[in-house]
Amino acid sequence: QVQLQESGPGLVKPWETLSLTCAVSGYSVTSSYYWGWIRQPPGRGLEWIGIISQSGSTYYSPSLKSRATISLDTSKNQLSLNLTSMTAAYTAVYYCVASPNWYRFDHWGEGTLVTVSS
Amino acid sequence: QSALTQPPSASGSPGQTVTISCAGSISDVGAYNYVSWYQQHPGKAPKLLIFEVDKRPSGVPPRFSGSKSGHTASLTISWLQAEDEADYYCISYAGSNNLLFGGGTKLTVL
Repeated sequence: QVQLQESGPGLVKPWETLSLTCAVSGYSVTSSYYWGWIRQPPGRGLEWIGIISQSGSTYYSPSLKSRATISLDTSKNQLSLNLTSMTAAYTAVYYCVASPNWYRFDHWGEGTLVTVSS
Repeated sequence: QSALTQPPSASGSPGQTVTISCAGSISDVGAYNYVSWYQQHPGKAPKLLIFEVDKRPSGVPPRFSGSKSGHTASLTISWLQAEDEADYYCISYAGSNNLLFGGGTKLTVL
């Protein structure tokens, strides 16, 4: 069973870069799965950020493509998200997700709240 | 591309059947059988209920079913139970390596 655990700073300043990691257990990130990120602003709906395949192919939301970078660290069995130029509108719970194909999300982490404030 | 359209709220009494719609377009819901549905309880991560329009992952009760007609997908919950009170989201592949999300529907069990 795939288990996902996000970790990150909790608080970032406007215009800073957010760096989040997701530790994966129960499955190798090099196996035939897709790994990605979804966020949810407080009291609002889900928003897709992007996803990466085990071979490193990435797909991003058009609205975030220029700011988001998703990568895999095979030595640590984890994935990462970098999101540049953070604004207050990016305050959200960030979820790590995994799935056998990339247009559905079978496994979710518990999420980590990131607040953007000076 | 616009987000998928879901009703903001729905309700039903225990034992009843409720259907939540997810309206897209000919380019997304209408073009692909890659619609999935998720249930989210307050303070919890979403849970996959339905994938590829009408398939259930193991462990999801058959009370939950999915369907599609034209460019509108639907989630039907039969024999409504108190624990079904939650937010529900749909997601569809939209071509060109893109996904669209619905805005979510808050289901109240009366």
